[in-house]
Amino acid sequence: QKEVEQNSGPLSVPEGAIASLNCTYSDRGSQSFFWYRQYSGKSPELIMSIYSNGDKEDGRFTAQLNKASQYVSLLIRDSQPSDSATYLCAVDRGSTLGRLYFGRGTQLTVWP
Amino acid sequence: DGGITQSPKYLFRKEGQNVTLSCEQNLNHDAMYWYRQDPGQGLRLIYYSQIVNDFQKGDIAEGYSVSREKKESFPLTVTSAQKNPTAFYLCASSIAGGTGELFFGEGSRLTVL
Repeated sequence: QKEVEQNSGPLSVPEGAIASLNCTYSDRGSQSFFWYRQYSGKSPELIMSIYSNGDKEDGRFTAQLNKASQYVSLLIRDSQPSDSATYLCAVDRGSTLGRLYFGRGTQLTVWP
Repeated sequence: DGGITQSPKYLFRKEGQNVTLSCEQNLNHDAMYWYRQDPGQGLRLIYYSQIVNDFQKGDIAEGYSVSREKKESFPLTVTSAQKNPTAFYLCASSIAGGTGELFFGEGSRLTVL
């Protein structure tokens, strides 16, 4: 079982729709969860972090964490073509300090 | 402005040659990391360092070497022992013992001819 799993997609949504990206992780001791956005040919940039169960909102982005289900998701409301990118889920691991484990990423396309 | 600088951005290498990728940060971060990314893949950790003069192997360290002689610098050498070195290499840093938020450089794309 991989540490972090994401649906590889691609996920395609129309402009203005809600895009939902999902991620599961294997280590129940994980405490820190991150979503990175990566445009084609560029480096990842952090867009959301979440550390406790529930929802965390930042503008059009909402991260949701459910530790009991070992599940973290990212919702993008009012999706824009500029949101088209690959979204990487990253999780720490309670037994291995100082590093993150990344999923393979979900490619999102928002069409006008 | 604070940030992470990687160089070169593009590098071509002949088989059998060692190459060194530079990574410098002025964020005063203690921890630094090297990741490799292949097309359609996530990030795989090569090496990481929490403090100066100390570093740990990641998941795919074979064929790579690093040094951490200064807090600001964490160069990566891709040796001839690395069987498939063509990839996008990303350097990152974070506050040691912190929340794990990584800040990335712009990356170095290595192509072996």
